Amino acid sequence: QSALTQPASVSGSPGQSITISCTGTSSDVGGYNYVSWYQQHPGKAPKLMIYDVSNRPSGVSNRFSGSKSGNTASLTISGLQAEDEADYYCSSYTSSSTLEVFGGGTKLTVL
Amino acid sequence: QVQLVQSGAEVKKPGASVKVSCKASGYTFTSYDINWVRQATGQGLEWMGWMNPNSGNTGYAQKFQGRVTMTRNTSISTAYMELSSLRSEDTAVYYCAVDTAMLDAFDIWGQGTMVTVSS
Repeated sequence: QSALTQPASVSGSPGQSITISCTGTSSDVGGYNYVSWYQQHPGKAPKLMIYDVSNRPSGVSNRFSGSKSGNTASLTISGLQAEDEADYYCSSYTSSSTLEVFGGGTKLTVL
Repeated sequence: QVQLVQSGAEVKKPGASVKVSCKASGYTFTSYDINWVRQATGQGLEWMGWMNPNSGNTGYAQKFQGRVTMTRNTSISTAYMELSSLRSEDTAVYYCAVDTAMLDAFDIWGQGTMVTVSS
């Protein structure tokens, strides 16, 4: 069982917006602004999409945005495109001896 | 460009050890911690630990304490992750990853190394 909880799947049509949630505790998501989001296409390494809750690395589309409220972080993708179909993972720093925890991943299907 | 290139796939028997390498290029190897993350087939990502290539200091996830060892050879800009007492549940793709832009996240990943544990 993953430390952070994500929905197993979400779907949306091209042009629509979707939001993926990531729920943790006050020891991880709720306690620090060190939440990141990764996109992973089949057979590929993860790609960083959001860091420090809501910041985008250079080169990542502004259709991707992040936020946090309490112990739950969220990734929103607007203007869905076929290429957005992938698995998405959240990650957070944690105060436990395991310094970094991931969510179980969410499969995004673009209908 | 900045990249991490990992060693090839491995097949090991239960109880054996495996050592995966991660060669860095395009940046000063000793500048950024190397992290290791694994992913069992069809499963999520799991953080295993970190190593500071400059000092050699390490930190391991509690789950892997006593079974994992992270080392480096600075002369060839290469980090290593060795996992011992392998069992079938260790079958996974193992990734090295670094935060080269001080983003508190992993912006550069290796291509992954498949490790299969089977009798």
